[in-house]
Amino acid sequence: DIQMTQSPSSLSASVGDRVTITCRASQSISSYVSWYQQKPGKAPKLLIYAASSLQSGVPSRFSGSGSGTDFTLTISPLQPEDFATYYCQQTYSTPGTFGQGTKVEIK
Amino acid sequence: QVQLQESGPGLVKPSQTLSLTCTVSGGSISSGSYYWSWIRQPAGKGLEWIGRIHTSGSTNYNPSLKSRVTISVDTSKNQFSLKVNSVTAADTAFYYCARTMAAVGLTIDCWGQGTLVTVSS
Repeated sequence: DIQMTQSPSSLSASVGDRVTITCRASQSISSYVSWYQQKPGKAPKLLIYAASSLQSGVPSRFSGSGSGTDFTLTISPLQPEDFATYYCQQTYSTPGTFGQGTKVEIK
Repeated sequence: QVQLQESGPGLVKPSQTLSLTCTVSGGSISSGSYYWSWIRQPAGKGLEWIGRIHTSGSTNYNPSLKSRVTISVDTSKNQFSLKVNSVTAADTAFYYCARTMAAVGLTIDCWGQGTLVTVSS
């Protein structure tokens, strides 16, 4: 299985900040990464696919980058509704493993 | 707007079989552009990919669960299902059904609301 190592596991930030979350794959996966946002008691929501493609309806303050083994999700500027947990997922091969998650909390 | 809804028992006894069904509305499950998947999440923990099925009959399972899991599809009812055999407390989790975009690897673009399954006697 391809392992996805996500960091940090949590962070505190203020409204208006620029937030960066990283994911490292255990082997090269080209651009096969997706990013999801999950709020408490809710299902995850797709934000980014193919490393940098913004899902329809997702605000442009969310962006993704990277290829090979290193990937980044950036949120800028951070808005009140963005406080949530974020997951990366490798979509290169089954099983589609997820990172451990990053909880973005209010500073 | 496609919607997915999980249904099934919320409580399963150890060693028995967990069975869930996902009903797809607002679109046809027979669209060749998608796979239909199951993901689970223990309370307060991360996401685990269980497996997926295409209406062609093609399936993929997580090797960690493969010996105990079966995913099937019923196109006449626009539903797909999950069975997990010989469950233990470790199978207690929220179970999500989801739609996977076949053209973009394993990307999940639509999720059910999730259903909690507790394994306990």
